[in-house]
Amino acid sequence: AQRVTQPEKLLSVFKGAPVELKCNYSYSGSPELFWYVQYSRQRLQLLLRHISRESIKGFTADLNKGETSFHLKKPFAQEEDSAMYYCALSGEYGNKLVFGAGTILRVKS
Amino acid sequence: GAGVSQSPRYKVTKRGQDVALRCDPISGHVSLYWYRQALGQGPEFLTYFNYEAQQDKSGLPNDRFSAERPEGSISTLTIQRTEQRDSAMYRCASRMVGTDTQYFGPGTRLTVL
Repeated sequence: AQRVTQPEKLLSVFKGAPVELKCNYSYSGSPELFWYVQYSRQRLQLLLRHISRESIKGFTADLNKGETSFHLKKPFAQEEDSAMYYCALSGEYGNKLVFGAGTILRVKS
Repeated sequence: GAGVSQSPRYKVTKRGQDVALRCDPISGHVSLYWYRQALGQGPEFLTYFNYEAQQDKSGLPNDRFSAERPEGSISTLTIQRTEQRDSAMYRCASRMVGTDTQYFGPGTRLTVL
């Protein structure tokens, strides 16, 4: 079965502090992993995907198959990073997404 | 062009009524997905289409739920004889062939009284 776990419902940090949003997954094959973000009053949108190995808005995420994790990191949080973040898994290219429950990131000034 | 649109944005209905939720994908996007999101949880897959063909409906919770995409563009998710437990945000997403990014609409907030 496919499963995504985000253990923290809320992560509160000060501006300029490092951020790590945790994501663990369960899947027997080779998964595609994604981070989606939802800013206040906006729709869900893709932040980054593991296959592109890119950095978006200063965020990076590395797929660790040994630990079945895909944690989202940013070295210095900004207030505009405050949002809901969802980790998602796709077992097959272009197929359905399995989402975690989400983590609210709150960046305080 | 315009992004994925959904209508209505909000729907309040009484238990036992049927509702139809509409999704208009990005023009040219072959794949269309429906998700349901309960409060405090992540989106949960319901069904998806490639063109007009329903490829996977394993996420539909019971036979009160159905979806169609007759011309390979606009899709309708229908819930018959609504129940209070159907209250949720219903999200639609579309995807271009050859890519893995799903683009989401604003969602329809369904409340069943």
